[in-house]
Amino acid sequence: AQRVTQPEKLLSVFKGAPVELKCNYSYSGSPELFWYVQYSRQRLQLLLRHISRESIKGFTADLNKGETSFHLKKPFAQEEDSAMYYCALFSVLQGAQKLVFGQGTRLTINP
Amino acid sequence: DSGVTQTPKHLITATGQRVTLRCSPRSGDLSVYWYQQSLDQGLQFLIQYYNGEERAKGNILERFSAQQFPDLHSELNLSSLELGDSALYFCASSPRGQAGRDTIYFGEGSWLTVV
Repeated sequence: AQRVTQPEKLLSVFKGAPVELKCNYSYSGSPELFWYVQYSRQRLQLLLRHISRESIKGFTADLNKGETSFHLKKPFAQEEDSAMYYCALFSVLQGAQKLVFGQGTRLTINP
Repeated sequence: DSGVTQTPKHLITATGQRVTLRCSPRSGDLSVYWYQQSLDQGLQFLIQYYNGEERAKGNILERFSAQQFPDLHSELNLSSLELGDSALYFCASSPRGQAGRDTIYFGEGSWLTVV
């Protein structure tokens, strides 16, 4: 079965410190993974996708198939990074395509 | 502004009642997705429509139903409401309904409180 696990519901770090939000997935096919972010009082929006291998707002995420992980990292956290972060897996099951989200991690950057 | 519009923004209703949540996708997007976000369950995929037809189904209860109309707007109907149905209901849209390749744009959500 397809599943996305974000083990940390809450994560708090100090400004300037490195950040890593963990995401593990379970999927029998070739995974396509995404990170979505929801800032306070704003709608959920795409942050990055693994196939683009991009860095957005200083964040990167590398797909590790051996560890079935897609952790989100940033070397130096900024206060504006405080938000809810969701890891998502694109799955195809019996012809049905859908995005499966993890439970989310609330990241708080302390000044 | 992603262009996805949801109404109402907030709704309070009693148990046993029925409500309808409405979603207008971004102009040109053919696919609509519905998600439920609750504190204990996180973000759960409910259902997807593409150009008026159901494309994918997730953890949607039988008390819930949805449809997409010819003008591509969508409605999510929630009936026999229970306290546990209190949640934020998101609508999202994408151009081609390919969740892995399209960028999916979310609305601001409809807050439903069942009392």
